[in-house]
Amino acid sequence: DIQMTQSPSSLSAYVGDRVTITCRASQSITTYLNWYQQKPGKAPKLLIYAASSLQSGVPSRFSGSGSGTDFTLTISSLQPEDFATYYCQQSYSPVGFGGGTKVEIK
Amino acid sequence: EVQLLESGGGLVQPGGSLRLSCVASGFTFSSYAMTWVRQAPGKGLEWVSSISGNGDTTYYADSVKGRFTISRDSSKNTVFLQMNSLRVEDTAVYYCARDYRSVPAAPQYNWFDPWGQGTLVTVSS
Repeated sequence: DIQMTQSPSSLSAYVGDRVTITCRASQSITTYLNWYQQKPGKAPKLLIYAASSLQSGVPSRFSGSGSGTDFTLTISSLQPEDFATYYCQQSYSPVGFGGGTKVEIK
Repeated sequence: EVQLLESGGGLVQPGGSLRLSCVASGFTFSSYAMTWVRQAPGKGLEWVSSISGNGDTTYYADSVKGRFTISRDSSKNTVFLQMNSLRVEDTAVYYCARDYRSVPAAPQYNWFDPWGQGTLVTVSS
């Protein structure tokens, strides 16, 4: 199976900071990569699909990039409501998630 | 508005069985695959099982293959997860999600949106 490694596993940042989360696949997954946000006690929410497409209703401060094995999720200016855990998910075969990145308030 | 509502979770002893349900509304149910994803307490997300829109094709994670069965009833807009031979390590919140896939088989663009609120399954003696 394809292994998905997220880094860092956690980070602390200030409101207004630019934040970048990385997801690395153990083999090429072209652009079969999605990103989700999960807040405590809540279900995950789709942010980015196909590596770089913004899901409808998601603020434009979120962006995704990458292809092959290396991907990034960027939050251009961190807002209070963005403090959450973020997961990448590949669909090359079979479906698998990264371990998550917890974004906390500094 | 698309909504998914899970039910059926609870406390069960190891070796026992449980059936989860997920009722969908707000979209054409038979046009979408459906998926179950679980999250053990304090842990990350784990894909469990998926079923095609017409119910003909099912997929399972190795960790549940042979023990769990996914099915759907389009007349009730409901997807089920029958869980048998439950183990302590099956303890988790189970989410159902609408499953978009670009083509029927992997590799494919495949994402989950939206998700239900989840139902907690606890396997303990």
